[in-house]
This record gives sequence, structure tokens and C-alpha cells, in this order.
Amino acid sequence: QKEVEQDPGPLSVPEGAIVSLNCTYSNSAFQYFMWYRQYSRKGPELLMYTYSSGNKEDGRFTAQVDKSSKYISLFIRDSQPSDSATYLCAMSDRGSTLGRLYFGRGTQLTVWP
Amino acid sequence: KAGVTQTPRYLIKTRGQQVTLSCSPISGHRSVSWYQQTPGQGLQFLFEYFSETQRNKGNFPGRFSGRQFSNSRSEMNVSTLELGDSALYLCASRDGQALSYEQYFGPGTRLTVT
Repeated sequence: QKEVEQDPGPLSVPEGAIVSLNCTYSNSAFQYFMWYRQYSRKGPELLMYTYSSGNKEDGRFTAQVDKSSKYISLFIRDSQPSDSATYLCAMSDRGSTLGRLYFGRGTQLTVWP
Repeated sequence: KAGVTQTPRYLIKTRGQQVTLSCSPISGHRSVSWYQQTPGQGLQFLFEYFSETQRNKGNFPGRFSGRQFSNSRSEMNVSTLELGDSALYLCASRDGQALSYEQYFGPGTRLTVT
């Protein structure tokens, strides 16, 4: 079992829809959670980062962390065709291993006009 | 601030050769991590360097090595290339201070081994 599980999709939604992306993890030591967006043949772009449990909002994006369930989510409101990309969740624990990220496999999202 | 830069962007090598990839982090960032991305395995951690010292290492064979220079620039070397080493190699930089955990990625070097 991988430490981070993410449904690869693909997910296809119409423009304006609310998109929900999710990851589960098994390592209770994970404290830091990130979401990246990766366009085809590009490097991952950091979208959101949160520490421990709770919600964080940035524009159309909301990240949620539920440490008790070992479950994180990214919501995209009013989705746009430009949001079409692969979304990767990533996480790390504290201390000396803080620089090592564990990634989900990524969810491929298509937003059609 | 300029982002993370990686050179070269594309590389084609023959099995058995060796290759060196370069990464320049965001100005002021002292931590550089390297990752391998393949369709089959996704993104996998190779190693992290901080202040010229390797701080973490992933589960890759010894053919994969790296180093970091005093200006925080980092290089990654792969010796005796195998076909399975074909991948997108990404580096990410981080401030490296205790409360800084977010990592910023470069565009990657796409390595093809024939």
C-alpha cells in the first residue's frame, strides 16, 4: 500500500462546476500538506499549502485537511478550462525529513467549455 | 524573484553512459530536493541537500548521486544509465528554515535513455 493514495481519474467537468479532489494517507506523522498543479510536460506548480488540520482558502481554491481521518481535499469553485491539468497532493512530516515530499499519483482534470 | 531553473531541459543518452543535471534554486533558498517522475511510479523522492550536505535520501540505487555547492546550486548525476532511467527529473527548492516546508519546482529535465 502506498503511503499516499489519490484517485487518478480522469475527471471531466463542465465549466463553472465545483471540483473536489481527494487524497488519503496512512502515515500519521504527516503534518504538512500541499497541492500542486501540473500542466502537460511542465513542472508542478504549488497551489496551496497547509499545516495540520483545518481549511485554507485562496481565491477559487479551498484546501481541507482532516488528520483524524487521514484525508485531504482540494475544492475548485467556478472551474475554468484553464484549470485542466493534473493535480497532485503531497505531504511531509516534521523535523529532518521535512524536505522529503510524498506524492499521490495525481488526478487528471479536464474542464470543458 | 526568479524561479527554480534546471538545465538542460532535454537530454538523450545511450544506455551505459552517465549524465549530470543541474538545478539553481530560488534566490535565498538553501534546500534543494530532487525527484524522478515516471508514468508508472509517479513522483519519487531521490534526495535532499541543505547547506552542501545530503539530509535525506530516497530508495534509489547508488548510481544516483548528487551534490550541492556553496551557492546552493545542485547537481545530480546518474551513472551507467539504464533504459528505466528515462524520466522527468525535477528539482525543488525550499527556504530550509525550520518553519518553511513548501517546495517550489523547476520545469524539469526530460531524460531519454536509448
